[in-house]
Amino acid sequence: NAGVTQTPKFQVLKTGQSMTLQCAQDMNHNSMYWYRQDPGMGLRLIYYSASEGTTDKGEVPNGYNVSRLNKREFSLRLESAAPSQTSVYFCASSEGLAGVKPQYFGPGTRLTVT
Amino acid sequence: SQQGEEDPQALSIQEGENATMNCSYKTSINNLQWYRQNSGRGLVHLILIRSNEREKHSGRLRVTLDTSKKSSSLLITASRAADTASYFCATYMYSGGGADGLTFGKGTHLIIQP
Repeated sequence: NAGVTQTPKFQVLKTGQSMTLQCAQDMNHNSMYWYRQDPGMGLRLIYYSASEGTTDKGEVPNGYNVSRLNKREFSLRLESAAPSQTSVYFCASSEGLAGVKPQYFGPGTRLTVT
Repeated sequence: SQQGEEDPQALSIQEGENATMNCSYKTSINNLQWYRQNSGRGLVHLILIRSNEREKHSGRLRVTLDTSKKSSSLLITASRAADTASYFCATYMYSGGGADGLTFGKGTHLIIQP
């Protein structure tokens, strides 16, 4: 039982490049989330998915797209990376609504955009 | 925008002492959760307290919630070196639709001195 896995662990991009961050969970959770964490800050919600095929924007969605491929996988895409997107990205999942059930987090992807 | 604000930002105590962290928030909430983050890792859920609860315990953890003051505290008793981590409060308010995620504070960095 791996929980929430994320790939890659580290990535360096040049401005304008694109990439996809992968996330998978094996806990049969319906809800999945993408957050970003900047130095000295708490996590901020980028996108949320309540179930396969549904996604909603969070607090900071600009510059990102997401895909909920199936119940297990939720990917985050940066189409044209910018230095402001340098951050640590966390994927999370939960059994139900965010405030009702705990969220389980992946280990994070540390992204640097130069 | 950050809903919760933890206080203090950093705390250093001796092993065996108790550690208290506080969280204040601005708007009404349904629930409040506390998470721990070890350096370079994902967040781990510690405890969830509902808005109609005043106190909750889990092992060496005690959480209180005062909705009239919009504040919560996390007490860790008999601290251990392994408790060294950052601690975040996260609030939740059901919006009835759209993105469903937690709103995190900036965290308290706790160091337990051996």
